[in-house]
Amino acid sequence: DGGITQSPKYLFRKEGQNVTLSCEQNLNHDAMYWYRQDPGQGLRLIYYSQIVNDFQKGDIAEGYSVSREKKESFPLTVTSAQKNPTAFYLCASSIDGGQVELFFGEGSRLTVL
Amino acid sequence: AQKITQTQPGMFVQEKEAVTLDCTYDTSDQSYGLFWYKQPSSGEMIFLIYQGSYDEQNATEGRYSLNFQKARKSANLVISASQLGDSAMYFCAMREWDSNYQLIWGAGTKLIIKP
Repeated sequence: DGGITQSPKYLFRKEGQNVTLSCEQNLNHDAMYWYRQDPGQGLRLIYYSQIVNDFQKGDIAEGYSVSREKKESFPLTVTSAQKNPTAFYLCASSIDGGQVELFFGEGSRLTVL
Repeated sequence: AQKITQTQPGMFVQEKEAVTLDCTYDTSDQSYGLFWYKQPSSGEMIFLIYQGSYDEQNATEGRYSLNFQKARKSANLVISASQLGDSAMYFCAMREWDSNYQLIWGAGTKLIIKP
């Protein structure tokens, strides 16, 4: 079945460590997105990519990095520079950047100890 | 200022009743779109319904309909004949086509359907 796979589902990290969250899609979508979700708040955009080898910062990119070397993959690295990284991270894709519907993965929950 | 406001943090509704989830928005763009997504406990966001600012008819998708009142800047989601499986978080979002292609999200409403 086509969809978006995020891994790991749960991740624990010590302060000062970088961690990479995986996002893979087999929908043949051009655009991919990373969102952060905190309790009581709406989703906030971290980074997005409309095409391979290109990506743009979203509203809260500081302390995060991404790459888009392949169409199907858009990994997110949470660096030690991110001051409050404990959150739920959602990856999404759309056919292209102007499409109405986003398709989401099941998310990765990161806890910093 | 909040661009998307969902005033109901949580709601309890009896099974089989209709439920309305409120969403108000703020934009100066003429061209925009309004979305509703459902987030069950599994975590993924599921697209439910879309309304464009120029659409004259309210959008409907099965048991979901969007009560779009443009002058009041409101885009409420109506779920008819609620089911236990409708228990989830519901998010309203907006995309301003003139200025910013990215979605702006509300804080969500937690809906619990009682048997």
